[in-house]
Amino acid sequence: KNEVEQSPQNLTAQEGEFITINCSYSVGISALHWLQQHPGGGIVSLFMLSSGKKKHGRLIATINIQEKHSSLHITASHPRDSAVYICAVPQAAGNKLTFGGGTRVLVKP
Amino acid sequence: DTAVSQTPKYLVTQMGNDKSIKCEQNLGHDTMYWYKQDSKKFLKIMFSYNNKELIINETVPNRFSPKSPDKAHLNLHINSLELGDSAVYFCASSQALTGYNSPLHFGNGTRLTVT
Repeated sequence: KNEVEQSPQNLTAQEGEFITINCSYSVGISALHWLQQHPGGGIVSLFMLSSGKKKHGRLIATINIQEKHSSLHITASHPRDSAVYICAVPQAAGNKLTFGGGTRVLVKP
Repeated sequence: DTAVSQTPKYLVTQMGNDKSIKCEQNLGHDTMYWYKQDSKKFLKIMFSYNNKELIINETVPNRFSPKSPDKAHLNLHINSLELGDSAVYFCASSQALTGYNSPLHFGNGTRLTVT
């Protein structure tokens, strides 16, 4: 089974700060997902990446397949970025995803 | 238009009752899922269907029974509800059979409270 660890569990930042969230996994994968869960509960898929880097607006996701590590960066953070960010990786066999425990981000104005 | 819609958003019921949660997606995806998010916010797969065929059936009590009348719908029926069933249940869909080959699209969740 692919173990997934996220860090930090909680993060508080001031508006405008650069934020980094980390995700490590134990088994080689084909792609990694980053999800965002809003305070209201809805879940949105942010990125799915298998190598290198992807950028969408102020969000940047990177992955290092050799080191089994991915990071999600938020540039110029804003209070509306306050959410739980979850990474997910496929299990070694089968069609299932294993989810990290999430990083709760609070951006203060 | 909502891509993945599930109803109801909130469900409060008593132990022993039977309830259903409905899910519909208008994305034309072949694969649909039910996930459970517990109080610690961990998401866990319960079921996955591909073109109305059951693909993943995790170790969940057989009181939980999914039904897929067509590939755009995946409903979840729960019999004899127990206190431990209280959680948020998310429906999701993806284009490909395997969630890791294509992005997941989630519904807004159903918060089930069993009293």
